Amino acid sequence: ETGVTQTPRHLVMGMTNKKSLKCEQHLGHNAMYWYKQSAKKPLELMFVYSLEERVENNSVPSRFSPECPNSSHLFLHLHTLQPEDSALYLCASSQDRSGYGYTFGSGTRLTVV
Amino acid sequence: KQEVTQIPAALSVPEGENLVLNCSFTDSAIYNLQWFRQDPGKGLTSLLLIQSSQREQTSGRLNASLDKSSGRSTLYIAASQPGDSATYLCAVKQGNFNKFYFGSGTKLNVKP
Repeated sequence: ETGVTQTPRHLVMGMTNKKSLKCEQHLGHNAMYWYKQSAKKPLELMFVYSLEERVENNSVPSRFSPECPNSSHLFLHLHTLQPEDSALYLCASSQDRSGYGYTFGSGTRLTVV
Repeated sequence: KQEVTQIPAALSVPEGENLVLNCSFTDSAIYNLQWFRQDPGKGLTSLLLIQSSQREQTSGRLNASLDKSSGRSTLYIAASQPGDSATYLCAVKQGNFNKFYFGSGTKLNVKP
């Protein structure tokens, strides 16, 4: 374990389902991130939460909804997804804006059927 | 918009070889650059971080260099081992914001 824990590891959901991905870190980091990794594409930053800011990638569809109740937990709520949303969703955390201590979780492999 | 390119996309070498992975970026106004390793089906592990004011960083058999003006970084792996087989990703941090731009990675296979 890297210190960033993601659950579930695998998720298969229908297009009409609602599910949530969970990320938890106990590294004392102040920033958390959601990334999407699709086959043969670069990692794409979806959302950033930190003490200083919340950043959203404007190209992320509204069917993805983040929630960050505190500095240790991050959720990604999913609803009415499309098959092209199937990907590996990675959570990461870092100490601060500098990027030091950037730590990734093992990811959730999502399949939309 | 920052674009990060990694060449080659895949590389296969015999064990013991020294090798170089390349990363280029289009906007030289970066805050720092990191090299990551990703094993199949797993998350990323940070290998080396180079601040924009630095020229290189070393960790064990790994050495990363940065030439910000030309928009290039290289990751040098000495005496490669089968355990080095993984995908290596380069990421640049733009300004003082929590945003990294990733390359598509180089998939390395080190043959015993």
